[in-house]
Amino acid sequence: EVQLVESGGGLVQAGGSLRLSCAGSGFYFGSYWITWVRQAPGKGLEWVANIKPDGLETHYVDSLKGRFTVSRDNAKNTVYLQMNNLRVEDTAVYYCARSFKCDYWGQGTRLTVSS
Amino acid sequence: SSEVTQPPSVSVSPGQTARITCFGDALPKKYSNWYQQKSGQAPVLVIYEDNKRPSGIPERFSGSSSGTLATLTISGAQVDDEADYFCYSTDISGVGVFGTGTTVTVL
Repeated sequence: EVQLVESGGGLVQAGGSLRLSCAGSGFYFGSYWITWVRQAPGKGLEWVANIKPDGLETHYVDSLKGRFTVSRDNAKNTVYLQMNNLRVEDTAVYYCARSFKCDYWGQGTRLTVSS
Repeated sequence: SSEVTQPPSVSVSPGQTARITCFGDALPKKYSNWYQQKSGQAPVLVIYEDNKRPSGIPERFSGSSSGTLATLTISGAQVDDEADYFCYSTDISGVGVFGTGTTVTVL
């Protein structure tokens, strides 16, 4: 069974940093793009970033470039989202999803950024 | 980055057909996917590559695409189909974009 499990969310003050993790199982992790998506309270889905299977290519939404960095460790079947200089507007549930087409999703991890 | 717009809401009676549209400049160049999200849950893929249905998704869900418009059709909508629906595509650089989302009400 394909599973993705996000972790690392929590409460952080504005200006702080946090790293989210996305652990995959039930599929050959090293063969798939992984995508990060977030959803602010009561809002729609926002595409954040993705990373190629070998980790050598990444893409980011323009508004987050420079603050967020995605990386992966295929030996640990894990993708990371490093978030720096966090802002109140980064408060959201963060999901990771498998592949370019986001065919499987985790249940999300909640980040709250306080002022 | 590209923008993709959807109607905020669609209402349909049980057994009738619901159509949700998605408009965006990137759509002619890349496939569209559709996701269903029920309250408090993670999204679920219901249509990929414009018109393909993942295993386990009921046949009443179908998709189509023409030019800058993609459409999700729910034929014979059921109360269980009440949810938010999002279209999704990628631009030519590989950056993804979700539509603004549509709340489907079946009553």
